Amino acid sequence: NAGVTQTPKFQVLKTGQSMTLQCAQDMNHEYMSWYRQDPGMGLRLIHYSVGAGITDQGEVPNGYNVSRSTTEDFPLRLLSAAPSQTSVYFCASSYSRAGSYEQYFGPGTRLTVT
Amino acid sequence: GDSVTQMEGPVTLSEEAFLTINCTYTATGYPSLFWYVQYPGEGLQLLLKATKADDKGSNKGFEATYRKETTSFHLEKGSVQVSDSAVYFCALSDNTNAGKSTFGDGTTLTVKP
Repeated sequence: NAGVTQTPKFQVLKTGQSMTLQCAQDMNHEYMSWYRQDPGMGLRLIHYSVGAGITDQGEVPNGYNVSRSTTEDFPLRLLSAAPSQTSVYFCASSYSRAGSYEQYFGPGTRLTVT
Repeated sequence: GDSVTQMEGPVTLSEEAFLTINCTYTATGYPSLFWYVQYPGEGLQLLLKATKADDKGSNKGFEATYRKETTSFHLEKGSVQVSDSAVYFCALSDNTNAGKSTFGDGTTLTVKP
């Protein structure tokens, strides 16, 4: 199994540009999430999905869109990039194991917006 | 809402020293508790977990006990190694909503030879 994969690993955007961060998992996990990691602020939840066709907002959803058309894929779209979106983005998937939901993380995408 | 508070870092220890990283949480219901570790340039990976009160999670010499009365899940290791240098995150998951986990801010551990 490849686990959770993310592309690209690095990206530089200019203010106002749009792009899609890709995330895929091959573990047949029902749940998927996007987080951003900023220095001194831990991980903050952007959007999450409890299954194909179902998404919901997390703590910091503004400026991002998601969709979940298949169990495997959960892309994150930046609509109009801003310098405040410079961050490291992690995708994660999870499933219920004996009543708990441990997260499996991808390697991250480091995004810089100039 | 749910929250996780970790001791502030960074933490610097000598090899073979004892490690404690404090973690307390606020949650409604009965969450599961986790410690994740992040090595430089990588994503987070699960280190250990506990799903109910008084459970002890352990892995690679690390331990943490789910203390409901003090709402704590402190991470301990008796003798750290240089290879343990990483960022450690305490987290909880709301077991009624599997996609949502709440993370602490992370504690950077550096172990010197």
